[in-house]
Amino acid sequence: GAVVSQHPSRVICKSGTSVKIECRSLDFQATTMFWYRQFPKQSLMLMATSNEGSKATYEQGVEKDKFLINHASLTLSTLTVTSAHPEDSSFYICSAREGKETQYFGPGTRLLVL
Amino acid sequence: EDKVVQSPLSLVVHEGDTVTLNCSYEVTNFRSLLWYKQEKKAPTFLFMLTSSGIEKKSGRLSSILDKKELFSILNITATQTGDSAVYLCAVGTGTASKLTFGTGTRLQVTL
Repeated sequence: GAVVSQHPSRVICKSGTSVKIECRSLDFQATTMFWYRQFPKQSLMLMATSNEGSKATYEQGVEKDKFLINHASLTLSTLTVTSAHPEDSSFYICSAREGKETQYFGPGTRLLVL
Repeated sequence: EDKVVQSPLSLVVHEGDTVTLNCSYEVTNFRSLLWYKQEKKAPTFLFMLTSSGIEKKSGRLSSILDKKELFSILNITATQTGDSAVYLCAVGTGTASKLTFGTGTRLQVTL
């Protein structure tokens, strides 16, 4: 149980384009999902908390207009990196919370912006 | 600012050794402490701890939390090469149970 999928697993795009990443909880409903980013050999940094049916809560320093989050259903949250630039290249990971505490992570999306 | 510190940063051991990984924290509104294992992709869940002094065990892995001293340890006995990974400690806080991660301990188990 508690499986979270992410799509795509890897994406390469040109600078200035937008990229959408999907996060799905496959066997449970998640009212709350989280988006993280991880740079090489560093730990996970929380970007935003995504709540089903309401606006996402962004962490300090994360631009909400650049990283658009939509949590339209209890099993799907999307992160759109708008007008991506090379410095946005990173490993993006989502998690979905089952119950009150435990977060289960998706397999991650590696984004490379050329 | 919430802080989670893991030690050591990296560790190389021989197969069969026992290792202890440490995690200390300073946070407001503590709810839980979680351990994850990260290999090449995203972290996989190991344990969640909410109460002091109660050991959680899964095979060769075990973990315990001390809420008075604000730390947790993760033990791995009879290590195998498949245990090589980065082990992440995360503390959940607040009503949203946001996770703050430590920098991780990189464990390498050699033959």
